[in-house]
Amino acid sequence: ELKVEQNPLFLSMQEGKNYTIYCNYSTTSDRLYWYRQDPGKSLESLFVLLSNGAVKQEGRLMASLDTKARLSTLHITAAVHDLSATYFCAVVPLEVYGNKLVFGAGTILRVKS
Amino acid sequence: EAGVTQFPSHSVIEKGQTVTLRCDPISGHDNLYWYRRVMGKEIKFLLHFVKESKQDESGMPNNRFLAERTGGTYSTLKVQPAELEDSGVYFCASSQPPSGGWTGELFFGEGSRLTVL
Repeated sequence: ELKVEQNPLFLSMQEGKNYTIYCNYSTTSDRLYWYRQDPGKSLESLFVLLSNGAVKQEGRLMASLDTKARLSTLHITAAVHDLSATYFCAVVPLEVYGNKLVFGAGTILRVKS
Repeated sequence: EAGVTQFPSHSVIEKGQTVTLRCDPISGHDNLYWYRRVMGKEIKFLLHFVKESKQDESGMPNNRFLAERTGGTYSTLKVQPAELEDSGVYFCASSQPPSGGWTGELFFGEGSRLTVL
């Protein structure tokens, strides 16, 4: 059974600082997604990573995928308060038809002014 | 373009009662998914429709849960009778059918929070 582990689960950081959220998964996959959720809102798609070595950047966030290491990272550069939210990574196992996502537990990010 | 909409946003019911959650996917999205997040746990897959057919219902907890997708449009998830452990947030998501450039990206609704007392 595919397991997805995120760490840290809670991250409190100062504005202007950099940090990385890690997402490890236990079985072969070539599709990994990062989502952001604000309280009471939907999961907003941030990044779709479809191949080994994929790197995507949007504003202060950059995501990468290493399928050999079964690891994805979400790097935050010069954090701002608006980035406070819960971040989820989700993986689709290779042998599964369709898009049956397996989620990590989520990382609660709080950016302090 | 309208996103995935879910109704109700919050439902509070007594143990043993019935609740029906509704999801309207993005127009043109053949794939519809239900996920659930129980307090303190990961978001878990419940089932997947392709149009009106159940493609995968391996995540449905037990036979108290019944999902339907009439005519391949909106979907309902009925819990009958509800138990305390059914409390959580039920998310619906939809995605386009596979085609060129398909990423498999899922678009989520805001969820229906179910509280069973």
